Amino acid sequence: AQSVTQLGSHVSVSEGALVLLRCNYSSSVPPYLFWYVQYPNQGLQLLLKYTTGATLVKGINGFEAEFKKSETSFHLTKPSAHMSDAAEYFCAVSDLRTGNQFYFGTGTSLTVIP
Amino acid sequence: DTGVSQDPRHKITKRGQNVTFRCDPISEHNRLYWYRQTLGQGPEFLTYFQNEAQLEKSRLLSDRFSAERPKGSFSTLEIQRTEQGDSAMYLCASSLGGVVSYEQYFGPGTRLTVT
Repeated sequence: AQSVTQLGSHVSVSEGALVLLRCNYSSSVPPYLFWYVQYPNQGLQLLLKYTTGATLVKGINGFEAEFKKSETSFHLTKPSAHMSDAAEYFCAVSDLRTGNQFYFGTGTSLTVIP
Repeated sequence: DTGVSQDPRHKITKRGQNVTFRCDPISEHNRLYWYRQTLGQGPEFLTYFQNEAQLEKSRLLSDRFSAERPKGSFSTLEIQRTEQGDSAMYLCASSLGGVVSYEQYFGPGTRLTVT
């Protein structure tokens, strides 16, 4: 069965500092991996995705993530945090076998300190 | 078409009442999904449709939950005899279907409060 673990339910960084949000997955077949962001009282917005090909994936708003098969990880990074990055971030996994059923982690709340 | 829409955005109901939520997907998307999200958790998959066919419903939370997509366009999620534990955000998403697992586009959600 697939699953996602997001280490750290709350992360605080200073404005301008590196953002690192951790995601580890479990999948018995090659996974497809996604990061979504959720602002208060809104739906989820796709930040980036990995399906096949290049393991370093660039997304919107300066975020990127690297797929590391050996570590079963897909950590999200941004070199310099902005106040507008404060939100809830979710990692999700799916694969060809299960079709489009996404399995989400429990989320990481990012706080940016001015 | 600007995205996935859901109606209503908020619903307050008394325990035991039935509620129905509507989702309008992105027009060219043939797959539609329902999720439930409780406080502090990620979205939990409930069911999905490809066109009008409901391809997975075993993860609906109980037989009080049902979903339809009669013409392959909009979908409804009904909860009968609501319980306080049903209070949550109900999210709808849509995507293109096919071999590749395309990203899902989410609506703003319907927040249900059962009193």
